[in-house]
Amino acid sequence: GQQLNQSPQSMFIQEGEDVSMNCTSSSIFNTWLWYKQDPGEGPVLLIALYKAGELTSNGRLTAQFGITRKDSFLNISASIPSDVGIYFCAAPGVQGAQKLVFGQGTRLTINP
Amino acid sequence: DSGVTQTPKHLITATGQRVTLRCSPRSGDLSVYWYQQSLDQGLQFLIQYYNGEERAKGNILERFSAQQFPDLHSELNLSSLELGDSALYFCASSPGVKNQPQHFGDGTRLSIL
Repeated sequence: GQQLNQSPQSMFIQEGEDVSMNCTSSSIFNTWLWYKQDPGEGPVLLIALYKAGELTSNGRLTAQFGITRKDSFLNISASIPSDVGIYFCAAPGVQGAQKLVFGQGTRLTINP
Repeated sequence: DSGVTQTPKHLITATGQRVTLRCSPRSGDLSVYWYQQSLDQGLQFLIQYYNGEERAKGNILERFSAQQFPDLHSELNLSSLELGDSALYFCASSPGVKNQPQHFGDGTRLSIL
């Protein structure tokens, strides 16, 4: 089936550093989504991307929809303690369907 | 607050039992999705309903079933529970129109003893 390969699996950084993570697939997608999950809570939508090459920002977060439509990137600038959590990429699993396929997640830990 | 409400938040039961998880979608959303999150499998799609009808099915076990009611709330029924069913179960909703992203509830943590 379709799979999203997310990397890195975990990151340990200092407060104030920039963060980059990415998601790749052998399949082409028309939509890429980035979610963040805090302990004990559900995934929260951060950014939605709908067009190849699209670059979208949400505060200190910036995400890009890769030109090949097979990848996406999420960057966080000047990290702060509340950025701690697990970040997931997701995409609709089948052309035209809305069920989501998720990456394995990137666990972000920040040392103050 | 995503607007998606799930109850209960925690559920502890024994093997062989049956439980019902409940989800109220965001106001105006017609589609409801159920996902299972376990440590070894990540987030896995189970089933989708749109305006009361089943729309898509994932790797949902035969022991599991769901329905969406006329008021659009949904229930996920899990029966003959096994230890391996212990997981977080999330409900998400969307308007059901293409390219509208899903918003998730805070989940039900199911523990099988």
